[in-house]
Amino acid sequence: KQEVTQIPAALSVPEGENLVLNCSFTDSAIYNLQWFRQDPGKGLTSLLLIQSSQREQTSGRLNASLDKSSGRSTLYIAASQPGDSATYLCAGSGGGADGLTFGKGTHLIIQP
Amino acid sequence: GAVVSQHPSRVICKSGTSVKIECRSLDFQATTMFWYRQFPKQSLMLMATSNEGSKATYEQGVEKDKFLINHASLTLSTLTVTSAHPEDSSFYICSATGTSNTGELFFGEGSRLTVL
Repeated sequence: KQEVTQIPAALSVPEGENLVLNCSFTDSAIYNLQWFRQDPGKGLTSLLLIQSSQREQTSGRLNASLDKSSGRSTLYIAASQPGDSATYLCAGSGGGADGLTFGKGTHLIIQP
Repeated sequence: GAVVSQHPSRVICKSGTSVKIECRSLDFQATTMFWYRQFPKQSLMLMATSNEGSKATYEQGVEKDKFLINHASLTLSTLTVTSAHPEDSSFYICSATGTSNTGELFFGEGSRLTVL
């Protein structure tokens, strides 16, 4: 069964810094991997989706990578802003009728 | 992008009552819908998978008689929490996948259930 781990659990950095969030998964037969953002008490906002055949995806200041062989994905946030403060979740899918297996998230605080 | 709408966003009920949460795909047909539950400071946990027109598949440890799931159409799935108790208080989120082969899941806004 897929297990997803996120490190660190919490991170606080000054505004403007570049940062990396880490995600690892146990089953390399992953169909795709998604990164989400969750604001307190809110639903999920999909940030990036990486298919198993892809190595990275970029959207604005966000870049996500996927290395199936090592079971890792990273989310890179460039030039962080206070508005980036949220919990970031990664989740892997086995495809087909499988739902997503979520990590516990990284709680990110960007200090103004 | 595809939009999934969930209703209600918040509900407070008395212990012993039943609560229904709706999940609708607004601009696409959702062949499969998933229901997740999130306890405070915990990650989302998959509860069940529902395919239109068939019985839902429940994850281990999830009581199917307590959490009734109906996926009667390609745009609507409902989760009914029967005889709710305070320990059922949680954040419930649905997601849906359409006919695209990317496997991307689209999420509703979530429903905060508080059982008094």
